[in-house]
Parts: sequence; C-alpha cells; structure tokens
Amino acid sequence: DTAVSQTPKYLVTQMGNDKSIKCEQNLGHDTMYWYKQDSKKFLKIMFSYNNKELIINETVPNRFSPKSPDKAHLNLHINSLELGDSAVYFCASSPTDLYNEQFFGPGTRLTVL
Amino acid sequence: AQSVAQPEDQVNVAEGNPLTVKCTYSVSGNPYLFWYVQYPNRGLQFLLKYITGDNLVKGSYGFEAEFNKSQTSFHLKKPSALVSDSALYFCAVRPYSSASKIIFGSGTRLSIRP
Repeated sequence: DTAVSQTPKYLVTQMGNDKSIKCEQNLGHDTMYWYKQDSKKFLKIMFSYNNKELIINETVPNRFSPKSPDKAHLNLHINSLELGDSAVYFCASSPTDLYNEQFFGPGTRLTVL
Repeated sequence: AQSVAQPEDQVNVAEGNPLTVKCTYSVSGNPYLFWYVQYPNRGLQFLLKYITGDNLVKGSYGFEAEFNKSQTSFHLKKPSALVSDSALYFCAVRPYSSASKIIFGSGTRLSIRP
C-alpha cells in the first residue's frame, strides 16, 4: 500500500550512459514533482506536472527529460550522465491546491562513476 | 528573490528538554508554510503546516510551530525532545502567487542526546 514509490532505489552507472527512474503514486493526486537532493542535503525542485502537463521546469540541463504517461506516473530520463548528476532524486505528489502538503517517495540514489 | 532560511545547520538538545528549530522566510504576499522531517535514507515526511487562522499549529509526533508574520518566521518547537526526534528538518514556503512551486530551506540536523 505504498503511497509514492520509486524504482530503482539505487542506481550505479558510468558517465555517458542513459538511465531512467520511475515513479508511481496511488494517492489519486493531480500533481507530481521531481526533486534533487545533493550531498549537502540541499533539496531543489526540478520539474512539476499537473494532470500530465508540465507546469514547472527549473533550470535543469536538457539531458533531463520527465515523462508523465498518466497522472499517476512521472518518470525521469537522464541522457549522457555526468559525475555531477550523482545525488538522491525524490519523486513527490500532492493534490493541486497550493496549501496541500507533498508526499515523498523513498528516493533513488544515483551514483555516476 | 523569494527564499527560506534555516540559520542553524545543527541543533543539539538533551532528551527531555524543549527544542526549537528556526525558520525565516522572504516572500511577497502571504505564504503557506510547512515543516518536513527526513530520517536517514528516507524521503521527506510532512509534519505540519500553516495556512491561515491560529498562529500556533500542531502537528505529528508532538511538534508545533508558531507563525509570526511581523518577524516572517515559522519556528518548529517541541516541549520535550526524544532521542527518536533526531533527524533532518526542512522548512518550506509556498507563496500564494506561485503555481505549485515550493521553496525548501537548507535543512537543520536535530540531534537529541540521551
């Protein structure tokens, strides 16, 4: 009965590879997010989708491409991985209204060698 | 620029003592305010939020926070700390005018010693 799930939990890969992280929520929320947490634990929003439409796209390299096949899923594809992409990536979801809290997934620890 | 500040990287408290984790913000207009907690190797969990009304809000695990408009602060408090409260705490702000964008503080590591 996991609310927000992410796969994989750990991802170790070589520079230059392409990888994807999947996210699914079973809460019926309309809005989903991707966050990046760096080694200093600083959390930064990358993307936000509402009902499969992109509504927030922060200054993220074009190598990062989110895809939302339906409102319960938001996947993150990363091309040409770089050392600096190593971080923990969190998916989250919430109802649309701004006063609602977000529900976070367990995170995907990406290590680029 | 809109921002959230958590001035302390770490707060150390003895078990049983009261604790305070500070948060101040700078946004235009009135914001929605949130506190989240992150345990090791876990995602963030919602603790409490301020939307409107009573300035003192109560949340999970005995935590509370006080909204102070004049000081633009939203400090997290607990009357009696537990060792299990040791974790990373994030303050977050969502301006009314922003379409779904939430701004997180840099986090404060709370360490409760037995």
